[in-house]
Amino acid sequence: GAGVSQSPSNKVTEKGKDVELRCDPISGHTALYWYRQSLGQGLEFLIYFQGNSAPDKSGLPSDRFSAERTGGSVSTLTIQRTQQEDSAVYLCASSLGAPPNTEVFFGQGTRLTVV
Amino acid sequence: KQEVTQIPAALSVPEGENLVLNCSFTDSAIYNLQWFRQDPGKGLTSLLLIQSSQREQTSGRLNASLDKSSGRSTLYIAASQPGDSATYLCAVNTDKLIFGTGTRLQVFP
Repeated sequence: GAGVSQSPSNKVTEKGKDVELRCDPISGHTALYWYRQSLGQGLEFLIYFQGNSAPDKSGLPSDRFSAERTGGSVSTLTIQRTQQEDSAVYLCASSLGAPPNTEVFFGQGTRLTVV
Repeated sequence: KQEVTQIPAALSVPEGENLVLNCSFTDSAIYNLQWFRQDPGKGLTSLLLIQSSQREQTSGRLNASLDKSSGRSTLYIAASQPGDSATYLCAVNTDKLIFGTGTRLQVFP
């Protein structure tokens, strides 16, 4: 596609429910990243994929968070038993290859609100 | 641990001024540095990418410099316009992007 696409753009869920956030990277991009931006906070790294493998998942805040990538393309970030502190904008990004010399492009984000 | 700092946190200027936004990082072992802008409620738009071996990069009215040894980068915006109003973020690339907290810029007519 022309850019990184994320869905849904907005999600409101009740505390305790599970949610799935989807990311379609730019076609041909092998690297994919998930970040979280809480209100008034900076961007927090969650996980990085190279192909279908996740060499760095050090930013996932708890075992309620998981992510997968299939076919070297679409990725899904799943949050189980959501809590109010999970409310944030979840941003996905992709780049043509592994670091170091590649530009990273971001999607528009999914705004998650846990009520 | 890599830390990225941006100064100033906020800036409000009249249209037409030339601006300098600053970014500093604590660990010079980076692959590259990328500048982004973020409009309210939107994702990030890539502005410039500077490789670790480069000193500067230009795109239109934007010029970014990198001094890796001193851990500094600047983004220069020439002849600012109201449409430049946004939050500007710098990020250093190790094996992932590590972001500063941004400079919120307002350019008024």
